[in-house]
Amino acid sequence: AQSVTQPDIHITVSEGASLELRCNYSYGATPYLFWYVQSPGQGLQLLLKYFSGDTLVQGIKGFEAEFKRSQSSFNLRKPSVHWSDAAEYFCAVETSYDKVIFGPGTSLSVIP
Amino acid sequence: GAGVSQSPSNKVTEKGKDVELRCDPISGHTALYWYRQRLGQGLEFLIYFQGNSAPDKSGLPSDRFSAERTGESVSTLTIQRTQQEDSAVYLCASSEGSHNYGYTFGSGTRLTVV
Repeated sequence: AQSVTQPDIHITVSEGASLELRCNYSYGATPYLFWYVQSPGQGLQLLLKYFSGDTLVQGIKGFEAEFKRSQSSFNLRKPSVHWSDAAEYFCAVETSYDKVIFGPGTSLSVIP
Repeated sequence: GAGVSQSPSNKVTEKGKDVELRCDPISGHTALYWYRQRLGQGLEFLIYFQGNSAPDKSGLPSDRFSAERTGESVSTLTIQRTQQEDSAVYLCASSEGSHNYGYTFGSGTRLTVV
């Protein structure tokens, strides 16, 4: 069965530090992969997506993610975190019928 | 409209009552999705519409849950005989169609069953 795991429930980083959020998926075919962010009191926003081609994809707000087929991973990175990045981050994979399955989320806290 | 609109934004209902949640997708978006997000948890897929047909209803938790969509516009999620475990934020999203271009989410309806 298709699934998405995010091993880290909660991460705390200092402002200005680098960030990596982990995501692993289980899906038989070539996946379509996404990262979404949910800021407090707000809806979910698409950060970036991978369909094919270059395995390093750039998104909004300075985020990037790298698809590694051999590791079934799609980790999200940012070189320098800002306080406004504190939010819940969800990795997702598209399965059949254009249905997207979301991971459980990683909560990011940023220390000033 | 400019975004996905959901109403009501908040709903408090008594256990056993029926509720209707509404979603207005972005104009022209053929695909529409309903998800449930319980407090502190991830998104749980409920149902997906392509146009007004629902190819995948596998996520509906019980027969108390149903959804319909009129054409490629408004969708209504109905929960009959609500239970306390139905308390959650119900999120609607729409997209341009097949091979997902990324969803646009609404702000959700926060349902509280007391």
